[in-house]
Amino acid sequence: GQQLNQSPQSMFIQEGEDVSMNCTSSSIFNTWLWYKQDPGEGPVLLIALYKAGELTSNGRLTAQFGITRKDSFLNISASIPSDVGIYFCAGPSTGTASKLTFGTGTRLQVTL
Amino acid sequence: GAVVSQHPSRVICKSGTSVKIECRSLDFQATTMFWYRQFPKQSLMLMATSNEGSKATYEQGVEKDKFLINHASLTLSTLTVTSAHPEDSSFYICSGIEGSYYNEQFFGPGTRLTVL
Repeated sequence: GQQLNQSPQSMFIQEGEDVSMNCTSSSIFNTWLWYKQDPGEGPVLLIALYKAGELTSNGRLTAQFGITRKDSFLNISASIPSDVGIYFCAGPSTGTASKLTFGTGTRLQVTL
Repeated sequence: GAVVSQHPSRVICKSGTSVKIECRSLDFQATTMFWYRQFPKQSLMLMATSNEGSKATYEQGVEKDKFLINHASLTLSTLTVTSAHPEDSSFYICSGIEGSYYNEQFFGPGTRLTVL
């Protein structure tokens, strides 16, 4: 089945630093979604990407839809303590109109 | 944005009992709702897709007789874990799809189930 691999698995960074993470797939996606999950909470949609090459920002977050359609990137600038959480990429599952496949997640921890 | 609630947020039950979890879309009509399970430090795994007024569709490996899903209205879906066992302990999350944004699911806050 489809697999979305995220890298890195986890990262410790200092407050104020920029963060980059990526999501890769063995198959093509037409939509990429990035979610953040705080501890003990459900995921919250951060950014949605619909076109290859698209670059979209949401505050300090910027995400890009890779040209090959097999990857996507999320950058966080000037990280703050509340950026702590797990970041998941997701894309529509093959052959369905609505189901999502989630990536393996990147756990972010920010130190002061 | 669209809001989804879940109740209860936490539940502890004895082995062999049944537990019902409710998922409600508060400000939109969710024709489709999804139920996920998440084990510690793992990703979300889809359990089933629930469409209003019809039977749920379960993912491979998910026992439909153990995880009963009812989507009685456009704003409510329920998941009942029957004869719960300790291995059913997990974080259960629901989501709903709003209108035309079929790929943008809105998630509930999750329910932590602990089976003793």
